Amino acid sequence: DADVTQTPRNRITKTGKRIMLECSQTKGHDRMYWYRQDPGLGLRLIYYSFDVKDINKGEISDGYSVSRQAQAKFSLSLESAIPNQTALYFCATSDMGTSDEQFFGPGTRLTVL
Amino acid sequence: GEDVEQSLFLSVREGDSSVINCTYTDSSSTYLYWYKQEPGAGLQLLTYIFSNMDMKQDQRLTVLLNKKDKHLSLRIADTQTGDSAIYFCAESRPSGGYQKVTFGTGTKLQVIP
Repeated sequence: DADVTQTPRNRITKTGKRIMLECSQTKGHDRMYWYRQDPGLGLRLIYYSFDVKDINKGEISDGYSVSRQAQAKFSLSLESAIPNQTALYFCATSDMGTSDEQFFGPGTRLTVL
Repeated sequence: GEDVEQSLFLSVREGDSSVINCTYTDSSSTYLYWYKQEPGAGLQLLTYIFSNMDMKQDQRLTVLLNKKDKHLSLRIADTQTGDSAIYFCAESRPSGGYQKVTFGTGTKLQVIP
């Protein structure tokens, strides 16, 4: 079974709709992250969380919100989706270890029409 | 500020060596990483190097770090078609009590049979 799972894997929605992307992990890591990937721009950090009570904005948090429901669950919401939020979204986890390796989910492809 | 830059595309013939280059701007980097993203999947750590090292070898992979020039490279010997993927360079540095990771734009490696 995958250690980091994301649902849905694909989603098409319309401008103005509220969307929630979910992430679950079985690695027991405290740290979780949400990134978006756009061609030519690499990965950009949206939000990150170091434990259930700790939520921090990343470099591109405008238009997004998150919820850390439990150590294993971190969801990303788009309150009112817009077309330039069309992207590939990745959840990742890490442990406070020696190399700060991040473990990524398989991604959610979101299209906003 | 922190920037991590890579060329967007590299094409090599099967059996040749591939060299993917990366430059970064922050001199306080602790770790530098190479992640691989296969089609339809999330990123997976290939290898990493601590900033006080200048070389690391792992089977077909050789990482070279020139800290003076802030240049990181990944050499893949005997490149195979299964190596076709997007390769992301990343660096981590201390920031506000945690290790902040910044990803590059990714280099798409195409291996021609």
